[in-house]
Parts: sequence; C-alpha cells; structure tokens
Amino acid sequence: GAVVSQHPSRVICKSGTSVKIECRSLDFQATTMFWYRQFPKKSLMLMATSNEGSKATYEQGVEKDKFLINHASLTLSTLTVTSAHPEDSSFYICSARDQIGGVASPLHFGNGTRLTVT
Amino acid sequence: GENVEQHPSTLSVQEGDSAVIKCTYSDSASNYFPWYKQELGKRPQLIIDIRSNVGEKKDQRIAVTLNKTAKHFSLHITETQPEDSAVYFCAASRGRDTGRRALTFGSGTRLQVQP
Repeated sequence: GAVVSQHPSRVICKSGTSVKIECRSLDFQATTMFWYRQFPKKSLMLMATSNEGSKATYEQGVEKDKFLINHASLTLSTLTVTSAHPEDSSFYICSARDQIGGVASPLHFGNGTRLTVT
Repeated sequence: GENVEQHPSTLSVQEGDSAVIKCTYSDSASNYFPWYKQELGKRPQLIIDIRSNVGEKKDQRIAVTLNKTAKHFSLHITETQPEDSAVYFCAASRGRDTGRRALTFGSGTRLQVQP
C-alpha cells in the first residue's frame, strides 16, 4: 500500500537553531501534502498545505516565515522550523494522498517527527 | 471553515462490549469522513471511511454510520478487544477533488478496553 516516509523521527535542538523535516511519498506521486502539528493528548491541527511547484497555503495563526515549506518534487515536501524555541516542541506529522486516486484515495500519514527544543 | 466535534473524550468499556464514538461536522459540503486509530507515539492509521453517498459501511467489527441531514457520523466497534485500546479520531473534508483537501480532525477519543 501507499507509504509516506518522514525523517527524522526524533530531533533535539537548541533554541535559535533551525530544523528541517522531510516527507516523502515512496510509491506514489502527490501534488499536495499536508503538515499537521499535534500536542500531547491533543488532536492533529493542520498547519499548512504544501503544493508542488507553488507556494504553500498556511492556516490562520501559522507563521509562514517560521515554518518554511518547500515542495520541490511530486514525492518530497520539507518543513523547516526556523529559529526554534521551546514552545515549538511538538509532534509534527505530514500526510499525502495519491493524486491519481483522487477522491478514492485515503490520506496516508508519515511516522511523525518529535521535535524537542531545549 | 469546517469544525468537527467529537464525543466522548474518553471511553472505557469491558472486553467484548461495544463502543460508540460520535462526531458532528459543520460544513454541509463535507463529503468524506474517515476514522483514524492512533497508538501512543505512532502515526494515525485509517481504519474505515465513508462518503456522503453512503449511509453505513461495515468492515468486520467496525462500522460507521452517516446522517447527512443531522451532520453527524459515528464509529461503532463491536466485540471490543484490549488491542482496540487507542485514541480514535474522526475527520471530515469536502470537495470533488479531495486530493487537494486537508482533513479537519475531531478532538479524539481515548478508548480503553478493560480485559
């Protein structure tokens, strides 16, 4: 079945540094990928929609200059958390759908990245 | 935008009993309703989904019902087992090309099945 690979699974960084998270669709192409954020024992909150070859669409309240998204190819989207602060510590998870399947394709999630900013 | 509400937040049942989780949505244009199971520290896994042209769907011990008029949908798990213990999320999205539509998630239900 469709697989979404996300890397790294865990990262610890110091305040002020930047962290890049990669999301790859391994056996399908996705013109659109979605980035979610999940706090402990909370729901998944959509941060942004990553669009291949164009700018990402950010949800209200999400700083586009802080959470840089690049969707360089049909199988790769990256999220860079710039100048990270402790309050950015969270579980970040990407998801994608096979574009060929469209309506009939379920949304597949990566394994997530647990970011801890010290 | 879409708003999805989910109840209850926690649910404890005895092994073998049934569990029901309910969700309501606000956008009448929503037409796709999946349910995900998430174990601690892991990715959400799709367990069942339903589209707005169907009122009920069943897959072994899991079933989902949809009432478009009332804008609510429910997950039913029968003959629960300890391995069913997890957090369950409902979600909704709309649009003909749902490949480009993100899901809006409910707040989650922590299900505990007591052996």
